[in-house]
Amino acid sequence: GAGVSQSPSNKVTEKGKDVELRCDPISGHTALYWYRQSLGQGLEFLIYFQGNSAPDKSGLPSDRFSAERTGGSVSTLTIQRTQQEDSAVYLCASSLGRLVEYFGPGTRLTVL
Amino acid sequence: QKEVEQDPGPLSVPEGAIVSLNCTYSNSAFQYFMWYRQYSRKGPELLMYTYSSGNKEDGRFTAQVDKSSKYISLFIRDSQPSDSATYLCAMSGLISSGSARQLTFGSGTQLTVLP
Repeated sequence: GAGVSQSPSNKVTEKGKDVELRCDPISGHTALYWYRQSLGQGLEFLIYFQGNSAPDKSGLPSDRFSAERTGGSVSTLTIQRTQQEDSAVYLCASSLGRLVEYFGPGTRLTVL
Repeated sequence: QKEVEQDPGPLSVPEGAIVSLNCTYSNSAFQYFMWYRQYSRKGPELLMYTYSSGNKEDGRFTAQVDKSSKYISLFIRDSQPSDSATYLCAMSGLISSGSARQLTFGSGTQLTVLP
């Protein structure tokens, strides 16, 4: 079946603008994660959704970042008033179990 | 000092070589150890995971954990050009329902297998 999909694949924006990144997890996967990957760095955890439970937002770097997951499926990560340090690849992953198993291809965000 | 250290490479080997990829860590609470493979412009894919110390084998891949030395390795036998990718180690304490934030990743090693 289809894997995790993300859109857009690339996003170039100007400093101060808001951006929305979308993630479509694998159908039926209850767990959904957002990570950020900067050049030469490991993956940085942002937020975790599990079923109908309250999300774990402990990795969000500032209050400019927020995410929601509608109907236990699609998730949107929103970054308000983008800054140049927000430039990175934003990765979404989904799984049924407790391991972070299936990643999407990522959205490459460039803030000018 | 980072919790997880990984040699970034790049590492270049001829086809058929045995490849050794390594990570060291400082947090003795880590119990789950994972290896991910990431092709260029793609998301990581989970290759293998191991719990506690010991070896785990899957085809040409062997994951090894030495908790006493806080050192983990991934060995690739008979390496192929299709193995060319970035390999990320990741580790975690106890896996619980809110475990995602406990995954700590290395920065990745870039591997090229030359035909």
